[in-house]
Amino acid sequence: AAGVIQSPRHLIKEKRETATLKCYPIPRHDTVYWYQQGPGQDPQFLISFYEKMQSDKGSIPDRFSAQQFSDYHSELNMSSLELGDSALYFCASSWGQDGYTFGSGTRLTVV
Amino acid sequence: AQKVTQAQTEISVVEKEDVTLDCVYETRDTTYYLFWYKQPPSGELVFLIRRNSFDEQNEISGRYSWNFQKSTSSFNFTITASQVVDSAVYFCALSENEPSNTGKLIFGQGTTLQVKP
Repeated sequence: AAGVIQSPRHLIKEKRETATLKCYPIPRHDTVYWYQQGPGQDPQFLISFYEKMQSDKGSIPDRFSAQQFSDYHSELNMSSLELGDSALYFCASSWGQDGYTFGSGTRLTVV
Repeated sequence: AQKVTQAQTEISVVEKEDVTLDCVYETRDTTYYLFWYKQPPSGELVFLIRRNSFDEQNEISGRYSWNFQKSTSSFNFTITASQVVDSAVYFCALSENEPSNTGKLIFGQGTTLQVKP
């Protein structure tokens, strides 16, 4: 069965650079979520989209933005990167009783 | 406010021992979902179980079992006859809405389980 696809798997950026993370949800899943997991921390909700519209927002920095496109894939854009942005970024998708499925994550390292 | 507490930060057991991971949650809603995820050293979040607030039946899946008690707001996870491959961080999580809508997950702090041979 198809899973949630995230790309890239690993990303190294320098401070003040910009990064774009991509997420391809499971086909027919209508909701996408983004989470950030710092080292030794639990995943923290950033933002979600339902049918391409933002549906909920967590503690997402103003430097971050996200959107969901017509094909339901989503992108998380992070600008002016800081060392503290180094983390695992997870995307998840869901649809009704299909529940919640997480991608394998993107490990972002800011140097 | 929603909150999930996993009081055990780290647990260490010897292979074949049984181990229970505790999870206590707080929510004002009557409809909610509880989850358990496993995060091995490779980093991915592996789904283990989802339980809705109206289903208090305990569940068993192989060596895994879950005890949901609304009276104590707990959703504990037991691994029977633990194996080295069970070593991972385990997260309990709470969602207050249908996952298909605005059902963001609130995670507990996680419990690191180490199973020694």
